[in-house]
Amino acid sequence: KNEVEQSPQNLTAQEGEFITINCSYSVGISALHWLQQHPGGGIVSLFMLSSGKKKHGRLIATINIQEKHSSLHITASHPRDSAVYICAVSPLIQGAQKLVFGQGTRLTINP
Amino acid sequence: NAGVTQTPKFRILKIGQSMTLQCTQDMNHNYMYWYRQDPGMGLKLIYYSVGAGITDKGEVPNGYNVSRSTTEDFPLRLELAAPSQTSVYFCASSYSGGRGNQPQHFGDGTRLSIL
Repeated sequence: KNEVEQSPQNLTAQEGEFITINCSYSVGISALHWLQQHPGGGIVSLFMLSSGKKKHGRLIATINIQEKHSSLHITASHPRDSAVYICAVSPLIQGAQKLVFGQGTRLTINP
Repeated sequence: NAGVTQTPKFRILKIGQSMTLQCTQDMNHNYMYWYRQDPGMGLKLIYYSVGAGITDKGEVPNGYNVSRSTTEDFPLRLELAAPSQTSVYFCASSYSGGRGNQPQHFGDGTRLSIL
């Protein structure tokens, strides 16, 4: 079993829909990261959080440390949101800010 | 702002050939990482470095070598290319100061095929 599991693996929705991507992990962590990978391949960091909730524009990330679960929400989705969204955790037992990654969720938003 | 720069973007190698994937960052980050991304799999850590002259193995180091002679550069070397090393390789860096974790900054990746 992977230390970081994302669901769903693939998600297709219509423009304007509310999107939720889930991430569960099995180890103690110091932080959880949400990353975005566009079809061109580049990876950018969206959020890093260790508790509560963060918001940036139409994106919201939440984390429940006790339940070892995080969600990434996209409000008023748009075709430009189409990308692979990756959850990654910084395990407590590892140093150097090393990350363990989920397999990614491929999101497609149709106009 | 260049950030993390990887070269080349694409490369095809024959089995047994060697090559070096270049990575440089201009953010004065101490921490640098090399990952590989295989289809349908999460990124896997190959090697990492916490500063010039210090490197360590990650999850999948076999078949690779690294060096870190300067803060800016962290090249990844494949000595004897094998088909199993066909993958997309990402270099990343992060700031080591401050409190707690910092976000990682990624290069655009190198798509490598071994035939």
